Amino acid sequence: EVQLVQSGAEIKKPGESLRISCKGSGYMFSVYWIGWVRQMPGKGLEWLGMFHPGDSQVRYSPSFHGQVTISADKSISIAYLQWNSLKASDTAMYYCARLQSGSHFDRWFDAWGQGTLVTVSS
Amino acid sequence: QSVLTQPPSASGTPGQRVTISCSATSSNIGGNPVYWYRQLPGTAPKLLIYSSDLRPSGVPDRFSGSKSGTSASLAISGLQSEDEADYYCAAWDDNFNYVFGTGTKVTVL
Repeated sequence: EVQLVQSGAEIKKPGESLRISCKGSGYMFSVYWIGWVRQMPGKGLEWLGMFHPGDSQVRYSPSFHGQVTISADKSISIAYLQWNSLKASDTAMYYCARLQSGSHFDRWFDAWGQGTLVTVSS
Repeated sequence: QSVLTQPPSASGTPGQRVTISCSATSSNIGGNPVYWYRQLPGTAPKLLIYSSDLRPSGVPDRFSGSKSGTSASLAISGLQSEDEADYYCAAWDDNFNYVFGTGTKVTVL
């Protein structure tokens, strides 16, 4: 069974750094892109970007480029989402998800982590 | 940036058919497949439809997707109380950025 298990909730202060994780199991981790999605309180879904553990390719949404860093360690099947300096506006639920492929423009998120709640408050 | 617009809400009584629309504001999404996700309260999103009109294993055939030009639709037939959730469409733009729709809250009356 494909599973993505995310790290636990975090409470941080503005300006602090943070890295949250997403561990994949039940499939070949290095073969599939892992994406990250943000959901601010009471709001919709936003794609932050994605990482390919096999060749370390990374793509960021233009809206989030430079705001977060996405990476992965394929040796331990874990993907990461990292901030260098958190802001109150980063308060949100963050989901990781596995990208399944059809053709080049036909790819979908077929498995999701349970979410990590990040709260940034002074 | 490309946007996918959905109605903020939709509703129906048990057994009815509900349709949710998803319209692209720019043509750089129109040629690409559409995906639909359902998010039950307090849970992670779940894939409902991929490649515009295909259902993953385990998704009931009450759910169906369609696409024409720059618009797509999700239909839920035989509405059930457990269908009360938020529904999001999504697609890739031509720059390989993933775009989610604005989301639709479905209420079962």
